[in-house]
Amino acid sequence: DAGVIQSPRHEVTEMGQEVTLRCKPISGHNSLFWYRQTMMRGLELLIYFNNNVPIDDSGMPEDRFSAKMPNASFSTLKIQPSEPRDSAVYFCASSPRGLAGGNNEQFFGPGTRLTVL
Amino acid sequence: QKEVEQNSGPLSVPEGAIASLNCTYSDRGSQSFFWYRQYSGKSPELIMFIYSNGDKEDGRFTAQLNKASQYVSLLIRDSQPSDSATYLCAVSQGGKLIFGQGTELSVKP
Repeated sequence: DAGVIQSPRHEVTEMGQEVTLRCKPISGHNSLFWYRQTMMRGLELLIYFNNNVPIDDSGMPEDRFSAKMPNASFSTLKIQPSEPRDSAVYFCASSPRGLAGGNNEQFFGPGTRLTVL
Repeated sequence: QKEVEQNSGPLSVPEGAIASLNCTYSDRGSQSFFWYRQYSGKSPELIMFIYSNGDKEDGRFTAQLNKASQYVSLLIRDSQPSDSATYLCAVSQGGKLIFGQGTELSVKP
């Protein structure tokens, strides 16, 4: 059974460019999470979706960040325009349980390492 | 006060010893607690979860939960060099998890 799939695995771009990160959750999972991880700030939740609907985007740092989930098997995180301080590892995770409760265990994808020059 | 607190370490133990990792949390309403392991350059990997007071054992790993003290711990028995990683504690809050900063564990041969 495939886990969470993310692409690209590495992205190097120049300041001001648009960056799009992609995620395919585990089939049957109804919650999807986007995280950012840096040495300074650790693992931060940016946004999460339940049944394709954004539930909490309070972690999105600013309007340059946007996320969509057009269907149950695909989500994107877009940064436009990108800045050097956006450099980080971005993880997508999915969970088989969401707002209805349960254990909420999350399974992480391999991450996208973003470098903005 | 951070919502989930862990000692950042590094915690160094000799091979074969017991490693004890600790975590405190601030939200008394939290119901589920998770331990993730993250190797350098890799993604977090779920190793255990617990939601009842007491101990839960899985192989060499034991999770301990004390809701009254708002404390959760992970014990690793017979530590191996392959256990060297950062261990993240996570606490449920609604439909999401709040993660601690992680404790770096180093197991010396």
